Amino acid sequence: SAVISQKPSRDICQRGTSLTIQCQVDSQVTMMFWYRQQPGQSLTLIATANQGSEATYESGFVIDKFPISRPNLTFSTLTVSNMSPEDSSIYLCSVDGWVRDEQFFGPGTRLTVL
Amino acid sequence: EDKVVQSPLSLVVHEGDTVTLNCSYEVTNFRSLLWYKQEKKAPTFLFMLTSSGIEKKSGRLSSILDKKELSSILNITATQTGDSAIYLCAGRMEYGNKLVFGAGTILRVKS
Repeated sequence: SAVISQKPSRDICQRGTSLTIQCQVDSQVTMMFWYRQQPGQSLTLIATANQGSEATYESGFVIDKFPISRPNLTFSTLTVSNMSPEDSSIYLCSVDGWVRDEQFFGPGTRLTVL
Repeated sequence: EDKVVQSPLSLVVHEGDTVTLNCSYEVTNFRSLLWYKQEKKAPTFLFMLTSSGIEKKSGRLSSILDKKELSSILNITATQTGDSAIYLCAGRMEYGNKLVFGAGTILRVKS
């Protein structure tokens, strides 16, 4: 499976500010996925990022709030904009594995908004 | 609406016990089901199952999907304290690559 790294591992931010989370994969992948896990909740897909095209957002998530970049086949960023305490979550990126349908997750970013 | 439901929500067992975790799914154009173990932040991949009904095994863990019942089970035998975690299942659709996750089962193994 691919090796996925994320930065930062955790952060504490003030409301109204923005945070950019980076996801790096050690091999080229077509799609990268961004998930959110709010406290005590399960994972929810935010968007799918393809290289060379705009990200595809799931219902309830918008580009102005969660802009995503995908400059190449091994890297993506997710920005959480104009943060509020409700944005406090674990943010995870994931990629598909070599075997069809297997999907692997990065180590996650724990965000706390005060 | 696509839905994945896991049961029980939480479970406490003693070391050496065998546990069975359940996952039922209603996913449009279902293609596969995945099981993950989450201990801190990152879910760790365990199994991927399809409607073929083939059981997957890895050490003390095993899992199988029942396509008639639209459900899957994850079995853990001879549990250890290191098995304590949240176990997540997720359904994947035929079109697109979205995973729909269940709420998870919190497993605590007491020594």
